[in-house]
Amino acid sequence: DIQMTQSPSSLSAAVGDRVTITCRASQTVSTYLNWYQQKPGKAPKLLIFAVSNLHSGVPSRFSGSGSGTDFTLTISGLQPEDFATYFCQQTYMTPFTFGPGTKVDVK
Amino acid sequence: QVQLQESGPGLVKPSQTLSLTCTVSGASISNGAFYWSWIRQLPGKGLESIGYIYSSGSTDYNPSLKTPVTISVDTSKNQFSLKLSSVTAADTAVYYCARGGDRLLADAFDIWGQGSLVTVSS
Repeated sequence: DIQMTQSPSSLSAAVGDRVTITCRASQTVSTYLNWYQQKPGKAPKLLIFAVSNLHSGVPSRFSGSGSGTDFTLTISGLQPEDFATYFCQQTYMTPFTFGPGTKVDVK
Repeated sequence: QVQLQESGPGLVKPSQTLSLTCTVSGASISNGAFYWSWIRQLPGKGLESIGYIYSSGSTDYNPSLKTPVTISVDTSKNQFSLKLSSVTAADTAVYYCARGGDRLLADAFDIWGQGSLVTVSS
């Protein structure tokens, strides 16, 4: 299986901050790297697919970058509704695997 | 719009079979472009893919799961189902169904059900 790691596991930030989350794969996943946002008690929501493509309705303050094994999710100008847990996922090879998540909470 | 809804018992006894159904509305499950997935989230933990099925019945399961898994599809009811046999407390989780397989979305899971908490306990 492809192992996904994320750093940090949690971070505290204020509204307006720029937040960066890193995701690393144990082997190349090409561009099959996706990001999800999950709020407590809710299902994950697709934010970004194929490294850098915003899913429908996702604000432009979210962006993704990277290639191969190292990827980044950036939130430029954190908003109150962005406090949540973020997961990366590879869909390059089954079983599709997720990172352990990064919780973004209020500083 | 397309919606997915999980249903099934919230409590299952150890060694019994966990059964969940996902009902798809707003789209036909017979659209061969997509696959229909099950994912679970252990309490306070991350997400684990269980497997998926195409409307043709072709499946792909996560071999890392210790519990025997069967995913099936009923196109006449626009539903797909999950069965985990001989469950233990370690299978207690929130179970999600989701749609994937859109190559334009890099196979990402673009639509999710709300989730169904299943507790394994006697």
